Amino acid sequence: EAQVTQNPRYLITVTGKKLTVTCSQNMNHEYMSWYRQDPGLGLRQIYYSMNVEVTDKGDVPEGYKVSRKEKRNFPLILESPSPNQTSLYFCASRPQGEYGYTFGSGTRLTVV
Amino acid sequence: AQRVTQPEKLLSVFKGAPVELKCNYSYSGSPELFWYVQYSRQRLQLLLRHISRESIKGFTADLNKGETSFHLKKPFAQEEDSAMYYCALSTGTYKYIFGTGTRLKVLA
Repeated sequence: EAQVTQNPRYLITVTGKKLTVTCSQNMNHEYMSWYRQDPGLGLRQIYYSMNVEVTDKGDVPEGYKVSRKEKRNFPLILESPSPNQTSLYFCASRPQGEYGYTFGSGTRLTVV
Repeated sequence: AQRVTQPEKLLSVFKGAPVELKCNYSYSGSPELFWYVQYSRQRLQLLLRHISRESIKGFTADLNKGETSFHLKKPFAQEEDSAMYYCALSTGTYKYIFGTGTRLKVLA
């Protein structure tokens, strides 16, 4: 089944403890992206990647890192999480061209 | 600046009534526009893209470049249409911008 898989689905952590949210897609898509979803703010792009080893900042990149060493994987790294990073995170991928994104199921992160 | 505006946070309609979810965009180039739907506790799903001019689940959307709008319409709302709807703009420079979303409630 074609899909984007995120792990974990839920995560509670403490301030400052490094964490990684994994994202994997099996559709050979070139583009991958991370979004955070907050009430009243919709989805805001954190980082995106156009292909392997090619990444760029979205609208809210502060406090996040990403890497794209393989085409299928696009992990989101929080080196030192803070409470304002408590949010619902979505990974998404799409092929080149005028296509929409396929989204993962989301990761609900709580930083205390 | 590139921007997507969905002016209504909540839209309530009765079952069988027509639905129009508004989306306006700001972009000086040639836009690629999409509608996504998010049912309760589920992932976002692509509903429509303007380039394909298709109808999905009875929904249609027409790009109006003069009014910079891409409103989503359905002639007869159904209860299962209740969800969060997001309009999105792709600018061709890899940026993909979402609006803040409109929650549609279809009342029995």
